[in-house]
Amino acid sequence: KAGVTQTPRYLIKTRGQQVTLSCSPISGHRSVSWYQQTPGQGLQFLFEYFSETQRNKGNFPGRFSGRQFSNSRSEMNVSTLELGDSALYLCASSLTTSGNNEQFFGPGTRLTVL
Amino acid sequence: GENVEQHPSTLSVQEGDSAVIKCTYSDSASNYFPWYKQELGKGPQLIIDIRSNVGEKKDQRIAVTLNKTAKHFSLHITETQPEDSAVYFCAASIGTGGFKTIFGAGTRLFVKA
Repeated sequence: KAGVTQTPRYLIKTRGQQVTLSCSPISGHRSVSWYQQTPGQGLQFLFEYFSETQRNKGNFPGRFSGRQFSNSRSEMNVSTLELGDSALYLCASSLTTSGNNEQFFGPGTRLTVL
Repeated sequence: GENVEQHPSTLSVQEGDSAVIKCTYSDSASNYFPWYKQELGKGPQLIIDIRSNVGEKKDQRIAVTLNKTAKHFSLHITETQPEDSAVYFCAASIGTGGFKTIFGAGTRLFVKA
């Protein structure tokens, strides 16, 4: 069974631009969560989607948004990029939306904002 | 707000020794506690987890203990090997209402051959 895939793996943008990252969960998984990982803040929860609905949201500004499609694939978008948005963005999938089920992480998208 | 504290931030051990990483969580509603291992260039990988109705769980060289009263949980790795070198994260999650997992800051483990 294929794991969680994320595209692209690396991205370089400039301040003010917007970016869209994609995540394909493990086949059959309906929950997709997004995390931001930085050396200073560690792993921080962005949001979770299940059945095309946002179930939970972390403490990030409205510039960070996401969506989930009927095939469970998910995208996250960051508008008006700031230098501080440089990070590894990780997506994780799970079979259900219950918070006590195993999450499987993808390799991440490394975003650099210049 | 919800918080998970993890110690130490760096741990260096000799091959064959044991390694212990400790975490404390703040939200008493947390009932699921996974541990992840992250190697360079990869996403975190679940290595063991424990639920609040269990005090201890073991899987070969890895064990996790949970003290709900004190809101502490710990990871124990015995007979460490060089391939155990990685960053380890503890996390706490509430099992209902979707995912909102809070991670610790991570422990960088070095196992010297």
